[in-house]
Amino acid sequence: IAGITQAPTSQILAAGRRMTLRCTQDMRHNAMYWYRQDLGLGLRLIHYSNTAGTTGKGEVPDGYSVSRANTDDFPLTLASAVPSQTSVYFCASSETGSPTEAFFGQGTRLTVV
Amino acid sequence: GQNIDQPTEMTATEGAIVQINCTYQTSGFNGLFWYQQHAGEAPTFLSYNVLDGLEEKGRFSSFLSRSKGYSYLLLKELQMKDSASYLCAVMDSNYQLIWGAGTKLIIKP
Repeated sequence: IAGITQAPTSQILAAGRRMTLRCTQDMRHNAMYWYRQDLGLGLRLIHYSNTAGTTGKGEVPDGYSVSRANTDDFPLTLASAVPSQTSVYFCASSETGSPTEAFFGQGTRLTVV
Repeated sequence: GQNIDQPTEMTATEGAIVQINCTYQTSGFNGLFWYQQHAGEAPTFLSYNVLDGLEEKGRFSSFLSRSKGYSYLLLKELQMKDSASYLCAVMDSNYQLIWGAGTKLIIKP
């Protein structure tokens, strides 16, 4: 079934540890996104990529990094996790440069303790 | 700054009609989206409006007034499975989505 797969589904992480959230899509979409969703704040864009080899910063990029080595994969790395990064993280993809719907992964629930 | 406003929570009765409002102020406008998100799940696309007027899709309709910076999602013949959060999002001039905080809709029998 075509779509976006995120891993892990959930994780408890000690503060200060490094963590990579994985995201893979098989729809050949050029654009990919990482959002965090916190209660009462809605979805906030962390980083995005409009095509393989390029990335950009979103609304809340500090403490996160991404890479886009190919079309399918868009991992998100927390270099040194802090408790304020406790959130639900969603990866999404869409066609580029035109208003089209975004498709979301099932989310990763991350708790930093 | 950019801002999307929608009510935090609404309650409605099974079989009834409910209207969820969304107002926005963004830098540029390339359309407005509504997504549905059940608890613990990913958002899924419901509708897209770029021109003024009403778009109808089964039990769901979405309305847009660009001059007023206003949209609403209308849900008819409510079913228990419609209990979810409804997210309003505007695509700005850079084709980035700006999201509202979502409206949690509670359906009572």
